[in-house]
Amino acid sequence: NAGVTQTPKFRVLKTGQSMTLLCAQDMNHEYMYWYRQDPGMGLRLIHYSVGEGTTAKGEVPDGYNVSRLKKQNFLLGLESAAPSQTSVYFCASSSGGSSYNEQFFGPGTRLTVL
Amino acid sequence: SQQGEEDPQALSIQEGENATMNCSYKTSINNLQWYRQNSGRGLVHLILIRSNEREKHSGRLRVTLDTSKKSSSLLITASRAADTASYFCATAALDGGGNQFYFGTGTSLTVIP
Repeated sequence: NAGVTQTPKFRVLKTGQSMTLLCAQDMNHEYMYWYRQDPGMGLRLIHYSVGEGTTAKGEVPDGYNVSRLKKQNFLLGLESAAPSQTSVYFCASSSGGSSYNEQFFGPGTRLTVL
Repeated sequence: SQQGEEDPQALSIQEGENATMNCSYKTSINNLQWYRQNSGRGLVHLILIRSNEREKHSGRLRVTLDTSKKSSSLLITASRAADTASYFCATAALDGGGNQFYFGTGTSLTVIP
């Protein structure tokens, strides 16, 4: 099992460009999450999904959109990238939404917006 | 913000020594989880402690929880160079926000061979 995978690993964008980050999991998990990690800030939740076809806002959703058309995939979109979105993005999944559920993380995507 | 905070931000020890890091959080919780992040990698779950537990062990890891002080500590005994990583605590609020985990700011641990 590959677990949680993310594509791409690195990306450089110019301000105003758009891009989509892809997250895929092969554990048949219902719940999927997108976080961003910034120095000194820890991880902050952007959006999450509790199942195929559903999405919800997290702590810092502005400037991002998400879609969960297939259970195994969770896409994060930036319609018009800004330098403030320079960050490392992590996708995670879990079998349930309880606070007792362990989250499984992908390796991350390092995004730089110039 | 409901983020927790780890203390210290950075810790450097010699191999074989014990490493202790602390986490403070802001809301009432059902449980608290600790994760490890190796450089350039995603987070990996280490251990979960429930709110009705005061101490839990897993191998060389010992976690304590004090809900009255809203704090937890992670002790790594007999540290190894491979323990070099960042360590994060994670909590979820009791108010139905179980889908939203709040991660602390992390402690960066360096174990010197």
